[in-house]
Amino acid sequence: GENVEQHPSTLSVQEGDSAVIKCTYSDSASNYFPWYKQELGKGPQLIIDIRSNVGEKKDQRIAVTLNKTAKHFSLHITETQPEDSAVYFCAASRGSTLGRLYFGRGTQLTVWP
Amino acid sequence: SAVISQKPSRDICQRGTSLTIQCQVDSQVTMMFWYRQQPGQSLTLIATANQGSEATYESGFVIDKFPISRPNLTFSTLTVSNMSPEDSSIYLCSVEDGRGTEAFFGQGTRLTVV
Repeated sequence: GENVEQHPSTLSVQEGDSAVIKCTYSDSASNYFPWYKQELGKGPQLIIDIRSNVGEKKDQRIAVTLNKTAKHFSLHITETQPEDSAVYFCAASRGSTLGRLYFGRGTQLTVWP
Repeated sequence: SAVISQKPSRDICQRGTSLTIQCQVDSQVTMMFWYRQQPGQSLTLIATANQGSEATYESGFVIDKFPISRPNLTFSTLTVSNMSPEDSSIYLCSVEDGRGTEAFFGQGTRLTVV
């Protein structure tokens, strides 16, 4: 099955700085790579995703890059704000069932004001 | 988008008992998924539930322990059977949207087994 590794497990940054979280995956057939943000007591919420036919995607302060050859993808958050503090999960799925996700272990991001 | 409601939001149960978790979606969906999130850990897929067919379980999860029902396109239940403290986790329901472009999660059911 798919194995998704995520680093770092914790990340602390000053408000306004950038944050980068990296993931690798093992199954070369994986073709969908979402990132979820989970706040305390809530379910994960999709913040951005990328498919295997795209190398980079941006949405305001958030961007995701994908390197299919190396089987890794990264989340970039610029101009971080305290409300960005949460646990971030990367995930991967394959085929047409994108909801069948395999998750990384998560990164606790703390943004200090 | 899809709005998912899970019940109960939390529960404390005695070991050896069973708990059924309900998942209600505000629109018809083909695929529903159940995940487990152990304390401070990542999400692990338990099974995929399609309406009208048996659920498909991931390695390490069996139907006798986690029976799933999917009676219609907006509802599913997950039962955690013969519970032990190791079953203490958050259980989450997830669905694909109608276009198959995104997966949404419920708020989860926090289960504590004592």
